[in-house]
Amino acid sequence: AQSVTQLDSHVSVSEGTPVLLRCNYSSSYSPSLFWYVQHPNKGLQLLLKYTSAATLVKGINGFEAEFKKSETSFHLTKPSAHMSDAAEYFCVVTPWETNAGKSTFGDGTTLTVKP
Amino acid sequence: DAGVTQSPTHLIKTRGQQVTLRCSPKSGHDTVSWYQQALGQGPQFIFQYYEEEERQRGNFPDRFSGHQFPNYSSELNVNALLLGDSALYLCASSLPTQDYGYTFGSGTRLTVV
Repeated sequence: AQSVTQLDSHVSVSEGTPVLLRCNYSSSYSPSLFWYVQHPNKGLQLLLKYTSAATLVKGINGFEAEFKKSETSFHLTKPSAHMSDAAEYFCVVTPWETNAGKSTFGDGTTLTVKP
Repeated sequence: DAGVTQSPTHLIKTRGQQVTLRCSPKSGHDTVSWYQQALGQGPQFIFQYYEEEERQRGNFPDRFSGHQFPNYSSELNVNALLLGDSALYLCASSLPTQDYGYTFGSGTRLTVV
C-alpha cells in the first residue's frame, strides 16, 4: 500500500522569496518519488524525480527536492519564486520494485505568487 | 517533439451514454496509463496498458475499459455514463519501469449532463 499527503493545500509567497511545498509519503516498497506541476488548462509536467540515487534532486526551473527516508518526506523547494511558478503542484509516489502502474498522487498544493 | 496527444479536448455527453477517449503516446514510449482528475483533486489511477494488455487497474468499476493498439496508442471507454464521471481524463505515457516518470497529455474534459 502507498499514500501521499501534501501538507498544505494552498501556499502563497511573494515574488523573489523562497518556496516550500511539503510532501509526506508512505509505501510498502522502496519508492520512486516525483513532483509534477500543472498550469491552468494544461497537462502535468514532470519537475523532478527521485529513484534511489542522490537524495537531493535537482529539477527544472530551479526547483529541488530532498528525499528523507527517516522522515518519509520529499519536500519541494525553490530559492526564489517567479510569477510563472504560480500553478498546482502534485507529489507522486510509485512503487519502484513492481515496475508496474499505479502511481499515487497527492491532492495537490496551489502555489500563488504575489508581485 | 511529438508529446502525448489526446482527443477530443472537450466532450459533452448525456447520462447513460457511452464515450471513447483516445491517446497517442510520446514517441519511444510503449506504456500508457489513464487517470481521472475531478475538479480540485489529484489524478486518480484508472488503469495501465503495456503490450496491449491491461497490466494494473485502480478502483474503478467495469464501466471503465480500455484498449491498446500495436502502435501503442490507447483508448479509454466509459459505458453508462454517470454525472460523477464528469472530470478531466489524462493520458500518460512512459517506459515500462516508469523510472523516468510520465509524460502527460493535456487531457480530455468530459462533462456529463
